[in-house]
Amino acid sequence: DAGVIQSPRHEVTEMGQEVTLRCKPISGHNSLFWYRQTMMRGLELLIYFNNNVPIDDSGMPEDRFSAKMPNASFSTLKIQPSEPRDSAVYFCASSFPRGGRDTQYFGPGTRLTVL
Amino acid sequence: AQTVTQSQPEMSVQEAETVTLSCTYDTSESNYYLFWYKQPPSRQMILVIRQEAYKQQNATENRFSVNFQKAAKSFSLKISDSQLGDTAMYFCASGLRGGGSNYKLTFGKGTLLTVNP
Repeated sequence: DAGVIQSPRHEVTEMGQEVTLRCKPISGHNSLFWYRQTMMRGLELLIYFNNNVPIDDSGMPEDRFSAKMPNASFSTLKIQPSEPRDSAVYFCASSFPRGGRDTQYFGPGTRLTVL
Repeated sequence: AQTVTQSQPEMSVQEAETVTLSCTYDTSESNYYLFWYKQPPSRQMILVIRQEAYKQQNATENRFSVNFQKAAKSFSLKISDSQLGDTAMYFCASGLRGGGSNYKLTFGKGTLLTVNP
């Protein structure tokens, strides 16, 4: 069974450009999480969805960040405009709706570099 | 806000030996879960082991086991018969129930484990 899929794996862009990161959760999972990993701050939860509805976006750093989940199999995290301090690895994770609701399975991450 | 502390930034162990990674957490909740994730150089986050706080018995997964001390809020990971493939960053995480019946994870800063041949 395929795991969480993220694209692109690497993204290099210039300051001010719009960046869109994509995630496909594991089939059947109804919860989806976006994390950011940096050396300084470690792994931080940005936002999560349950049944395509955003539940908690308190970790989203500022209005330049937005996330959507238009259906159960796709989510995007958008940064507009991007800044050098947004450079990080962004992970998407999904969880199983019953029994193992507590366990999150991570995608391979997208390494974002903003020049 | 909850915190997770990993006091050992780096550790090393010889192949086939046993190593223990430390983790402490701080929460006032009674319903929570604890996890260890492994992040090898490929940067993929891989679940190693999980523990439900209401269970007294320590979780075990093959060579990996935990020592869960609820009163002390301690959750250490023991790796037995260390293998070269165990070389990775290890993250301890606690999960508290948030909205939508999901669990929000808070991660420690990680411990870089190197297994030497």
